[in-house]
Amino acid sequence: DGGITQSPKYLFRKEGQNVTLSCEQNLNHDAMYWYRQDPGQGLRLIYYSQIVNDFQKGDIAEGYSVSREKKESFPLTVTSAQKNPTAFYLCASSANSNTEAFFGQGTRLTVV
Amino acid sequence: KQEVTQIPAALSVPEGENLVLNCSFTDSAIYNLQWFRQDPGKGLTSLLLIQSSQREQTSGRLNASLDKSSGRSTLYIAASQPGDSATYLCAVRRSSNYQLIWGAGTKLIIKP
Repeated sequence: DGGITQSPKYLFRKEGQNVTLSCEQNLNHDAMYWYRQDPGQGLRLIYYSQIVNDFQKGDIAEGYSVSREKKESFPLTVTSAQKNPTAFYLCASSANSNTEAFFGQGTRLTVV
Repeated sequence: KQEVTQIPAALSVPEGENLVLNCSFTDSAIYNLQWFRQDPGKGLTSLLLIQSSQREQTSGRLNASLDKSSGRSTLYIAASQPGDSATYLCAVRRSSNYQLIWGAGTKLIIKP
């Protein structure tokens, strides 16, 4: 089955910890994205990558980091510098930067 | 700056009704517009993609229109069913950098 897989579905983080959210796609897409979703707001772009070994900051990159060492993988690390990390995180991909976007099922991160 | 607005934020209608969801945007320089569906706690499912040169797209009971000059798109759902209950999001893709700009969504409830 082609698609985007995010794991884990639920993640709990203690204060001061770094955590990494996984995003894998087997659609052979060049572009991948990380969004954050908070209640009552539109999705906000954290980071995006248009091609392997390259990525750019989105609108709210502070406190987050990414890597794109393989075409199919775009992991997101939420660092201790992110002061309000509790949110729903969505990964997406598209064939290139201007084509239809497809989403994973999301990871809900909660700070405990 | 591109802003995307979806009104109303929530809508409840009886089963069987035809209904229209609205999406407005402030900058007509868009590459395309995409409508998504999101079920509670889940990722986004792409419904329809309209290129900037198109006026409408249809898929089953769904029809999306685009009027760039007035900065509006509508999603028409025919013969609504309880299974259509979800949050519907629209996103416009900027022509300048291909980034998606999101509305906050309309939460739709179809009452049996």
